[in-house]
Amino acid sequence: GQQLNQSPQSMFIQEGEDVSMNCTSSSIFNTWLWYKQDPGEGPVLLIALYKAGELTSNGRLTAQFGITRKDSFLNISASIPSDVGIYFCAGQLETSGSRLTFGEGTQLTVNP
Amino acid sequence: SAVISQKPSRDICQRGTSLTIQCQVDSQVTMMFWYRQQPGQSLTLIATANQGSEATYESGFVIDKFPISRPNLTFSTLTVSNMSPEDSSIYLCSVSDRGLGEQYFGPGTRLTVT
Repeated sequence: GQQLNQSPQSMFIQEGEDVSMNCTSSSIFNTWLWYKQDPGEGPVLLIALYKAGELTSNGRLTAQFGITRKDSFLNISASIPSDVGIYFCAGQLETSGSRLTFGEGTQLTVNP
Repeated sequence: SAVISQKPSRDICQRGTSLTIQCQVDSQVTMMFWYRQQPGQSLTLIATANQGSEATYESGFVIDKFPISRPNLTFSTLTVSNMSPEDSSIYLCSVSDRGLGEQYFGPGTRLTVT
């Protein structure tokens, strides 16, 4: 099946640092979504992107839809301890209708 | 966004038995989906639950193993049949309504099969 390559797999940072993670694919996507999952809970939607080149912010989070429509990144600025969790990218392929393909996730640890 | 609940939140089941998981949304939604998340892994789509017709299953998932119902626009069930320890996972439902691709997830059902 289609794959999303998400990197890095894990990150260990100090509180206050900025974080960047990305997803790439060989396929073209119509939509990119970024989720955060805390232990024992379902993923929570952080940012949704719909157009190539689109740059969207949600508080300290910023995400971009790549120009080629094959990649996306998520930045978190001035990290805080509650940013800890697993971040997933998800994309809606131009050929897959409403179905989402998920990346493998980035485990973020923030040291106070 | 819609408020989504799942029942049960967790269960421990014997192999060979079946478990039905319920997903309830507080508003009518167009699309409902079922995912599996194995320990330490990402999410894998099991099927799209279609209102009034048979679910659409992804490759590797079959109706006999994961029968799905969707009797109306706010409710769906997923049954995990003839369970084995390999079925131990978190099962998540999600909904989409605006036609833009956004999906919102329930809290998940953590299933352990012994």
